[in-house]
Amino acid sequence: EADIYQTPRYLVIGTGKKITLECSQTMGHDKMYWYQQDPGMELHLIHYSYGVNSTEKGDLSSESTVSRIRTEHFPLTLESARPSHTSQYLCASSEGQGINSPLHFGNGTRLTVT
Amino acid sequence: AQRVTQPEKLLSVFKGAPVELKCNYSYSGSPELFWYVQYSRQRLQLLLRHISRESIKGFTADLNKGETSFHLKKPFAQEEDSAMYYCALHGGSYIPTFGRGTSLIVHP
Repeated sequence: EADIYQTPRYLVIGTGKKITLECSQTMGHDKMYWYQQDPGMELHLIHYSYGVNSTEKGDLSSESTVSRIRTEHFPLTLESARPSHTSQYLCASSEGQGINSPLHFGNGTRLTVT
Repeated sequence: AQRVTQPEKLLSVFKGAPVELKCNYSYSGSPELFWYVQYSRQRLQLLLRHISRESIKGFTADLNKGETSFHLKKPFAQEEDSAMYYCALHGGSYIPTFGRGTSLIVHP
């Protein structure tokens, strides 16, 4: 079934650890995004990609990195996790060339850094 | 720069009452506007887009370019409408901008 998948759903990790949040979509979408969302708060764009080998930083300063080696895969890596990284991370994708393509979201990864 | 403002963080109504979730935007070009909804324990999903001019689950939203608004309305709220609602703007850069969200609570 065409969908967008995020793993893990929940992650508790200690300060200083390196972690990778996985995101994969089977819809063939070119554009992919990572958002950070605190409970009941707005979504902040962390990274986005227009296609393979294309990645850009969003408006939220973050110590994370992303890669886009394959169309379907857009992992987010934190080299050294800190308590300030505790949040929910949402991955999304969209199709098409126009600006009227809606975003499709994954279920999110809730990260807690102790 | 593009910006989306949802002035109400929380909106609480009783079942059967009319609902209006406000959304104002700032963008110099022709925007594409969307409403997304997140029900409890579910993923964020598209509710409706202005270009479709359709009613979804009884909700409608009209783009008012003069007032730069895209308010979401429903004449009679239902308990199952309780959720978090996000207004979003897609500008020329293809980078969507979201408002901070409005939590709608519909009491029985």
